[in-house]
Amino acid sequence: AQKITQTQPGMFVQEKEAVTLDCTYDTSDQSYGLFWYKQPSSGEMIFLIYQGSYDEQNATEGRYSLNFQKARKSANLVISASQLGDSAMYFCAMREARDDKIIFGKGTRLHILP
Amino acid sequence: EAGVAQSPRYKIIEKRQSVAFWCNPISGHATLYWYQQILGQGPKLLIQFQNNGVVDDSQLPKDRFSAERLKGVDSTLKIQPAKLEDSAVYLCASSLDQQGVAQETQYFGPGTRLLVL
Repeated sequence: AQKITQTQPGMFVQEKEAVTLDCTYDTSDQSYGLFWYKQPSSGEMIFLIYQGSYDEQNATEGRYSLNFQKARKSANLVISASQLGDSAMYFCAMREARDDKIIFGKGTRLHILP
Repeated sequence: EAGVAQSPRYKIIEKRQSVAFWCNPISGHATLYWYQQILGQGPKLLIQFQNNGVVDDSQLPKDRFSAERLKGVDSTLKIQPAKLEDSAVYLCASSLDQQGVAQETQYFGPGTRLLVL
């Protein structure tokens, strides 16, 4: 069974609109971390935001916020006021505290339209 | 602060040839990771080092892939002999030495794009 599921292979969004990228995860651990990375066409994986399983508040980093719904095992990334430079692949990932591996989803390709 | 460095950025080889990739992690980061990212997929962990010891190499095809991290800093990943299906981006990442901490963030290098003909 997949541990990280990203159901949107691709999305097209108009510039300046908000966009939500979906991510669901599967774990039996109580302690885990959830990450979002951005991968532009240059190939580098850029860390965007982190949410811990014990964090009560949703994480925010500038225009990025993570909509964490623990009971639903959901960790959606919200980008407010999208920009052309946001066009990239976005990966959701999880790390369980008992296991140092980060497991990545298959990614969502986001296209921002002018 | 300098990020994770990798070289070369691109490599084209023929099948059955050998190739090596180099990675220099962020200064002070004890943990180093090599990932393989096939087109259209997320990165897959190949091997993880803690200082110069191997923590996890369960997904490394050991018949053709090898990696080392001498002196606990730089690392090299080698493929010998290469196959067509090894065409991918090879990403190196590093993190601080905090095993068992879920929020340990990995920082990635720019990757090496390998094409095997």
